Amino acid sequence: GAGVSQSPSNKVTEKGKDVELRCDPISGHTALYWYRQSLGQGLEFLIYFQGNSAPDKSGLPSDRFSAERTGGSVSTLTIQRTQQEDSAVYLCASSPHRGTGTEAFFGQGTRLTVV
Amino acid sequence: DAKTTQPPSMDCAEGRAANLPCNHSTISGNEYVYWYRQIHSQGPQYIIHGLKNNETNEMASLIITEDRKSSTLILPHATLRDTAVYYCIVRVYNTDKLIFGTGTRLQVFP
Repeated sequence: GAGVSQSPSNKVTEKGKDVELRCDPISGHTALYWYRQSLGQGLEFLIYFQGNSAPDKSGLPSDRFSAERTGGSVSTLTIQRTQQEDSAVYLCASSPHRGTGTEAFFGQGTRLTVV
Repeated sequence: DAKTTQPPSMDCAEGRAANLPCNHSTISGNEYVYWYRQIHSQGPQYIIHGLKNNETNEMASLIITEDRKSSTLILPHATLRDTAVYYCIVRVYNTDKLIFGTGTRLQVFP
């Protein structure tokens, strides 16, 4: 595809359930990021993958959140035992290579609603 | 990462230049200044970036002060479609990590 693809676009789940959010980055992009945006707020960094390096997990808000990236391509963000405060838009981005001068391309996000 | 400070909101008349300021007084020599914008309900969009020199592309111009402690994004002829939240970010050399602040909400009016 031409851009970063995220699925599902919308997800409604019951409190306490686990959810998985998927991100398909642009082909060949080595860096992949996850952000969270609560209603009316800015983007909160969650996690960042770069090639085969260990991911930067410094933004994950709790141990209920985890992410993996298989084969250096598709990434899945998993939220266990969802809480109402997890309701937000989860955005994924990718960029072509490490270093300066590289822009990140964002997907349209997954809107998660925990009821 | 250096922190940035932006005004929470600005208005601009359609057709006029929009000048969006950003303070990054703790920026280091190897940190780049990036600008992104987010139009309602969409993912952020890259606009421009620079290190020391002023930069221009088809979307905007970026003016960085000589001491690099502040910068200004210029949209030369704002249109209604430029209404968005504009984020100024500093990014450490040789990393891809982008930390977004709260941004400036630009409202372009007819």
